[in-house]
Amino acid sequence: DAGITQSPRHKVTETGTPVTLRCHQTENHRYMYWYRQDPGHGLRLIHYSYGVKDTDKGEVSDGYSVSRSKTEDFLLTLESATSSQTSVYFCAISRRFDSSYEQYFGPGTRLTVT
Amino acid sequence: GDSVTQMEGPVTLSEEAFLTINCTYTATGYPSLFWYVQYPGEGLQLLLKATKADDKGSNKGFEATYRKETTSFHLEKGSVQVSDSAVYFCASLFQGAQKLVFGQGTRLTINP
Repeated sequence: DAGITQSPRHKVTETGTPVTLRCHQTENHRYMYWYRQDPGHGLRLIHYSYGVKDTDKGEVSDGYSVSRSKTEDFLLTLESATSSQTSVYFCAISRRFDSSYEQYFGPGTRLTVT
Repeated sequence: GDSVTQMEGPVTLSEEAFLTINCTYTATGYPSLFWYVQYPGEGLQLLLKATKADDKGSNKGFEATYRKETTSFHLEKGSVQVSDSAVYFCASLFQGAQKLVFGQGTRLTINP
């Protein structure tokens, strides 16, 4: 357990509305990530952060923005939700273990855009 | 670019059968390799990992060996149980990038 919580856990929203998902960690890890999970695609990286106010794009960043104003919180915003953004969203942190890094995941947020 | 390819699913086996889920990677360097497991309705859990060639990761009866010559990291278990039913993901991590690259996942169902 890496102390990662996500909120909300489930959300249904309408096309065109803004949506913000929150990831919270309790262990002060520097790296945080947002992924989406879709059938046949595994998990794909949306955005990640390597420190407060330091973020970068992943492979599927279009339509998403992120913010990190505190070490413990990483927010994912869909400025204007579309049906193609219906997915399960996972937050993760990177933790150093022995000589390598490991990523640990939160429980996920299921988002449905109608 | 870097990529991970897993065997197509779904895979259905009987209890106590031998399991292999194939995973190969493409990379310009030497990544760390991981297997994650996702039980229904849950997030991903780290199952095992290997960080260099010929390393063997193991956990809960599952094993995988980092084969540099074949760029593979196949997941194996000698005798599966119904409780092993889940989706399994292979992933690679390049230390410099700190970003995981996932395979598409393999759904495993074990019948009693």
